[in-house]
Amino acid sequence: NAGVTQTPKFQVLKTGQSMTLQCAQDMNHNSMYWYRQDPGMGLRLIYYSASEGTTDKGEVPNGYNVSRLNKREFSLRLESAAPSQTSVYFCASSELGTVGEKLFFGSGTQLSVL
Amino acid sequence: QQQVKQSPQSLIVQKGGISIINCAYENTAFDYFPWYQQFPGKGPALLIAIRPDVSEKKEGRFTISFNKSAKQFSLHIMDSQPGDSATYFCAARGTSGTYKYIFGTGTRLKVLA
Repeated sequence: NAGVTQTPKFQVLKTGQSMTLQCAQDMNHNSMYWYRQDPGMGLRLIYYSASEGTTDKGEVPNGYNVSRLNKREFSLRLESAAPSQTSVYFCASSELGTVGEKLFFGSGTQLSVL
Repeated sequence: QQQVKQSPQSLIVQKGGISIINCAYENTAFDYFPWYQQFPGKGPALLIAIRPDVSEKKEGRFTISFNKSAKQFSLHIMDSQPGDSATYFCAARGTSGTYKYIFGTGTRLKVLA
């Protein structure tokens, strides 16, 4: 089982460039999430999707857009990258609200914006 | 605004010692408190979790202690091993139909051999 797959693993952008981070899960989970991880800040929720067809803002949504393409895929788009978006990005999925709920994380995308 | 405060930021423990990481939360609308473990270059993975109607949960060398009245919970790692060296995050899951997770800022644990 692949679990949660993120692409790319590394990316360098120039300020103002756009890009899309891809995420796919094969566990038939309803809920998917995008987090960013910064030193000393922990994991902060950017956007989440409770189920196919729905998306909602998290703690730090500014500068990002998301698309829940289908139940498996949840993409994160940076329309005009800024140096403040340099971070490690993690996609996760879970079965929402269950007892013993577990977030399954991908291996991350390290993004540098110059 | 961080709603889950985690301490210490870093921790060094001798092999065989006890590692203790603390978290405190402000919002009472949380219904589930997991701890995640992250190794370098990897995504976080669930280690152990507790619900607020239980004061303690133990799984092997890992124990969560939960104090609902004080809005605090902690992770204890008994007989710490070098393989436990990782970053640990506490988290709290919100209710109100959103079930969003708020994470602490992380604790980098190093266990010396």
